Amino acid sequence: GQSLEQPSEVTAVEGAIVQINCTYQTSGFYGLSWYQQHDGGAPTFLSYNGLDGLEETGRFSSFLSRSDSYGYLLLQELQMKDSASYFCAVSPFKAAGNKLTFGGGTRVLVKP
Amino acid sequence: NAGVTQTPKFQVLKTGQSMTLQCAQDMNHNSMYWYRQDPGMGLRLIYYSASEGTTDKGEVPNGYNVSRLNKREFSLRLESAAPSQTSVYFCASSARDAGQETQYFGPGTRLLVL
Repeated sequence: GQSLEQPSEVTAVEGAIVQINCTYQTSGFYGLSWYQQHDGGAPTFLSYNGLDGLEETGRFSSFLSRSDSYGYLLLQELQMKDSASYFCAVSPFKAAGNKLTFGGGTRVLVKP
Repeated sequence: NAGVTQTPKFQVLKTGQSMTLQCAQDMNHNSMYWYRQDPGMGLRLIYYSASEGTTDKGEVPNGYNVSRLNKREFSLRLESAAPSQTSVYFCASSARDAGQETQYFGPGTRLLVL
């Protein structure tokens, strides 16, 4: 089976840096993705790590360590619009039509 | 491109009623998915279709059926709705590019079963 653990909530001020950790236990592993979801909205893709290391996309970065079954999403220069829930998700297999298993989500609240 | 569209946006059912949630994508993706999301929770996979003509169970398939009508459309049917099926339902489709699979989600259907 698959299980992912991430903190339930994080609060920070505008301009700060937030790191959301994700640890996983899976029967197969191909990659780790991150999705953002605003209240009442649909999840949208943020970042993907297929190999160990850091991937940077603007103010957001994501890191993966396969040996530690661990990854994180780093949000820099926080803005009010970054208040949302963030989900890590594991792709277990290489084949197309990959079933993603999602973590429970981390709610990020950005305060002025 | 509309991306992934879902109908209806909202629905109220009585226990025992049936309904079909519709989903369509115009991105020519092979794979499509149905998830449910309960308040404050992550997404749980109900069914998925890796390609036209195939469907498979996900984590929580009981009480649901699906049909992959063609490459564009993937419907979810509740034969006899129960209050436990009150949730937000998201349809998604996916593409694989350079080994990375990205899922694109529809706006969701909010379902209340009384």
